[in-house]
Amino acid sequence: DAGVIQSPRHEVTEMGQEVTLRCKPISGHDYLFWYRQTMMRGLELLIYFNNNVPIDDSGMPEDRFSAKMPNASFSTLKIQPSEPRDSAVYFCASSLTGKNEQYFGPGTRLTVT
Amino acid sequence: GENVEQHPSTLSVQEGDSAVIKCTYSDSASNYFPWYKQELGKGPQLIIDIRSNVGEKKDQRIAVTLNKTAKHFSLHITETQPEDSAVYFCAAKARGSTLGRLYFGRGTQLTVWP
Repeated sequence: DAGVIQSPRHEVTEMGQEVTLRCKPISGHDYLFWYRQTMMRGLELLIYFNNNVPIDDSGMPEDRFSAKMPNASFSTLKIQPSEPRDSAVYFCASSLTGKNEQYFGPGTRLTVT
Repeated sequence: GENVEQHPSTLSVQEGDSAVIKCTYSDSASNYFPWYKQELGKGPQLIIDIRSNVGEKKDQRIAVTLNKTAKHFSLHITETQPEDSAVYFCAAKARGSTLGRLYFGRGTQLTVWP
């Protein structure tokens, strides 16, 4: 299995630009999680989906952040407009109902200048 | 919701020594406790986990212990090696309404000196 796939691995953008991060979960997994990691706040859960439906988006910091999961094999996290404080590493993870383990992708390092 | 505290935030040991990282949790309904290792530039990887019906679990040089009464669990690494250097995260998950969500500690940066 290829594991969780994220793209791009690195993104550098200017403040005010739209940023879209992409994730492909492990085939067959029905849970998908988006996390943000910073030195100050550690690993934060932003939103998670079950069977493509958002279950809890209470971690999404502002309306500038949105996430979608149009099908079982693809999800996006969009930031519009981006700000320097959004600079972080964003991880996607997936898991399977009945199994406790979450599998993380390699992350996208976002830098907003 | 659940609150997971992790200590210490940094830990330095000499190669061959043991390392212990401790976590506490607040929700007595939590029943699953994984540990993740994150190497530089990579995503967290599950290294060991324990369920609430077990007090201890070992996998080669790694062991995890759980005290449900005190609501704390620990990661023990014996005979540490330089390749054990990484950030380690503990987490907890409750059954029921959380529907699969993990609550993570803040992480411990472990450095093993050769």
